[in-house]
Amino acid sequence: GAVVSQHPSWVICKSGTSVKIECRSLDFQATTMFWYRQFPKQSLMLMATSNEGSKATYEQGVEKDKFLINHASLTLSTLTVTSAHPEDSSFYICSGGLAGTSYEQYFGPGTRLTVT
Amino acid sequence: SQQGEEDPQALSIQEGENATMNCSYKTSINNLQWYRQNSGRGLVHLILIRSNEREKHSGRLRVTLDTSKKSSSLLITASRAADTASYFCATDTGGFKTIFGAGTRLFVKA
Repeated sequence: GAVVSQHPSWVICKSGTSVKIECRSLDFQATTMFWYRQFPKQSLMLMATSNEGSKATYEQGVEKDKFLINHASLTLSTLTVTSAHPEDSSFYICSGGLAGTSYEQYFGPGTRLTVT
Repeated sequence: SQQGEEDPQALSIQEGENATMNCSYKTSINNLQWYRQNSGRGLVHLILIRSNEREKHSGRLRVTLDTSKKSSSLLITASRAADTASYFCATDTGGFKTIFGAGTRLFVKA
């Protein structure tokens, strides 16, 4: 199956700093990438959808100036958490979508962000 | 807002027993998918069922879909300790957007 990687797998940063998370589709071209956030023992909440070369579409309640998404190529999307706060601590998961009839998404392994 | 509601929230069974998890959703869908997530890990895609399908099998997994009731079920037969994980249903309402249910945490005791 298609493989998506994320880097880093975990990161600890200080409050007020910015953190960048990379999401790469390794063996396919992801026309669309998605970013999710998951708090402990909760489900995945969609944050934003990005298509290569265009601006991301953010879900209601997600601050686009705080969570910057760049999808510069068909194999790479980045999420930058700007001016991070402890409440931003969460598990961030990306996925890449394969165009076609199945609309299957392939998920990365996730990035654990801890803001101190 | 989340599309899917799942029940039970948590399920504890003995190895060898069957586990059934249910998912209900609110709006029309193109397809419904089930995923597994081990603690602190990414998602593993289990099975996709399209809106015009009623039942699908994959190994020890059986998924049903009732679009009239807007519900789906995931049955894991002959469960193993390694099946311990959280299971999520996810609905695709069109245009790739996938909405996840709250999830069921399954514990299989050896």
